[in-house]
Amino acid sequence: EAGVAQSPRYKIIEKRQSVAFWCNPISGHATLYWYQQILGQGPKLLIQFQNNGVVDDSQLPKDRFSAERLKGVDSTLKIQPAKLEDSAVYLCASSFPGSGGSSTDTQYFGPGTRLTVL
Amino acid sequence: QKEVEQNSGPLSVPEGAIASLNCTYSDRGSQSFFWYRQYSGKSPELIMFIYSNGDKEDGRFTAQLNKASQYVSLLIRDSQPSDSATYLCAVKIGGTSYGKLTFGQGTILTVHP
Repeated sequence: EAGVAQSPRYKIIEKRQSVAFWCNPISGHATLYWYQQILGQGPKLLIQFQNNGVVDDSQLPKDRFSAERLKGVDSTLKIQPAKLEDSAVYLCASSFPGSGGSSTDTQYFGPGTRLTVL
Repeated sequence: QKEVEQNSGPLSVPEGAIASLNCTYSDRGSQSFFWYRQYSGKSPELIMFIYSNGDKEDGRFTAQLNKASQYVSLLIRDSQPSDSATYLCAVKIGGTSYGKLTFGQGTILTVHP
């Protein structure tokens, strides 16, 4: 079974520029997540999709970040304009929607995109 | 108070010893608990999940959950240098399938030969 795919793996930009990340979840996984992981911290959820609908985007800085999941499969996360504090690894994860209390709750992570903002 | 708290370490144990990693959480409604391992420069990978009070064993790993104390732990028996990594505790806040997964800051484990 193929895992979660992400691209690019690395990106270096200057502040105020824009950047976009792409994610392809595991086949059949209806739930897709974008996390931000700053060095030395645990991943922080930015946005959660169920199919192509947003379930939770409470921690997404909506003035600069946007995300979409067209057709309920691939997803794109965009930052515009980038700030220095956006330097982090952006992780995409997917899961089969479970009812809680089962292995279908498990989230599987992609390799991440390391973003450096200069 | 953070929603999920872990001792950031580093925790250093000798090869062959038992490593004990601890995690506390604040939301009493949490129902799902996960331990992820993250090697430096890599993405998190699932080690174990636990939903019921008590112990759950998988090979050298044992997860322990005490909902009354809002405490979950991971024991690694016969620790190996390859176990050296950051261990992330994650708690599903909310009891529905849409509940948010919240991570602790991670505990750095070093197993020395």
